[in-house]
Amino acid sequence: AIRMTQSPSSLSASTGDRVTITCRASQGISSYLAWYQQKPGKAPKLLIYAASTLQSGVPSRFSGSGSGTDFTLTISCLQSEDFATYYCQQYYSYPRSFGQGTKLEIK
Amino acid sequence: EVQLVESGGGLVQPGGSLRLSCAASGFTFSSYWMSWVRQAPGKGLEWVANIKQDGSEKYYVDSVKGRFTISRDNAKNSLYLQMNSLRAEDTAVYYCARRLGRGVRAPFDYWGQGTLVTVSS
Repeated sequence: AIRMTQSPSSLSASTGDRVTITCRASQGISSYLAWYQQKPGKAPKLLIYAASTLQSGVPSRFSGSGSGTDFTLTISCLQSEDFATYYCQQYYSYPRSFGQGTKLEIK
Repeated sequence: EVQLVESGGGLVQPGGSLRLSCAASGFTFSSYWMSWVRQAPGKGLEWVANIKQDGSEKYYVDSVKGRFTISRDNAKNSLYLQMNSLRAEDTAVYYCARRLGRGVRAPFDYWGQGTLVTVSS
C-alpha cells in the first residue's frame, strides 16, 4: 500500500500570506494526486487533481505541483475562507490513500 | 445540480450489521464509478470501497474485506454499503462520493453530506 505523508500537520498563518503544504508518496504515483479542502462538519471539496489541474470553480490562488513522489499545494494569498484542513490523496493504485491532513489555522 | 444523499447510519452493537444507502441525482449515475470514504471522529479520511459503473469491479480497503459489500442499483440511482460484523473501529462518518470522469483512475469530485455510524455496546 502507498503511504501518503503530509507536512506540516498544522500551520498558523495570516490573511494575505502565501503558504505551501507538502505531500510525499512512499512510492511513485506519476501525477495521480489530488488535494481536498475540508471545513468542520462538512464534506471534503476537491481543489486540484492530476497534481496541478484546478477543479472547476476553485479560485486561482490555489495551485499544485509535483510528480512521482513529491507534491505541493500552494495558496498564494490566504483568504479568511481558506482556513481549513487540507488532504492529499493518491489514486494511482489500490488501496486509495489519503495523507493525514494539514490543519491551517489563523495566526 | 449533482446531489448525493446518504442515509442508514446509526448506533449498532459490535458484531451487528447496517446498510448504508446513497441516493444520487443531477447526473447520469450509471456512467460513473462510485465510492465510499469514511472519517472517524476527529481523524482523517479513509477510502473504503469503489464500484465500477456496471458493478462488475469492486475494490475494498483491507480492513473491511469480507465484512463490507459495496453495491449499486442503476435503475434506482442508488449506491449501497452493507456492513457486517461491525467493530468499534468502524465508527465514522461515511461519505458517498462520485469519481471524476469515467476513467479507471480518478479523484472524488462530488461528496454527500455523510452519515454517522457508531459501533458501541
